[in-house]
Amino acid sequence: GAVVSQHPSWVICKSGTSVKIECRSLDFQATTMFWYRQFPKQSLMLMATSNEGSKATYEQGVEKDKFLINHASLTLSTLTVTSAHPEDSSFYICSARDLVGLATEQYFGPGTRLTVT
Amino acid sequence: AQTVTQSQPEMSVQEAETVTLSCTYDTSESDYYLFWYKQPPSRQMILVIRQEAYKQQNATENRFSVNFQKAAKSFSLKISDSQLGDAAMYFCAYRSLIQGAQKLVFGQGTRLTINP
Repeated sequence: GAVVSQHPSWVICKSGTSVKIECRSLDFQATTMFWYRQFPKQSLMLMATSNEGSKATYEQGVEKDKFLINHASLTLSTLTVTSAHPEDSSFYICSARDLVGLATEQYFGPGTRLTVT
Repeated sequence: AQTVTQSQPEMSVQEAETVTLSCTYDTSESDYYLFWYKQPPSRQMILVIRQEAYKQQNATENRFSVNFQKAAKSFSLKISDSQLGDAAMYFCAYRSLIQGAQKLVFGQGTRLTINP
């Protein structure tokens, strides 16, 4: 089946620094990737939708200058949290949609736990 | 905008018994997809079952089945013969079929505990 990987799985960074999270579709091409944020015991909150080769579409209330998304190829999207602060600590999940036809599935990565100290 | 509501924050069931998780949604669209996802302690999201709104037949995947009531905008998940490995957060999700509207809208989740 389709596999999506995320790297790193866990990262700790100091307040004020930037951190990059990678999302890769390993065995399929993804025109669209999604980035979610999940707080403990809560649901997934969509942050942005990225399409290969174009600018990401951010959900209302998500700071695009703080959460930079790049979808440079059909298998890779990156989320960079700039000038991270403790309130950015969260679990970040990406998902990717298969390129083929009207595929309905979104395949999820295993998530990245970000801790900002 | 579409909304998805799961009114049961927590549910528990005895092993081998049957449990039903509730989900309601709101939409003005006639065609769409509905999903149930499982998120175990590993936090990896796993697709459990999918239902196309234009299909009247309820979807079934082994021990998992849905009761899709389109008019009532209800989409419940039934887990039969519950197993310890079924313990997880379960999320109901909606996806529009409108071109460009590809995002999933999730409910709040239901935490399912299996009692041995």
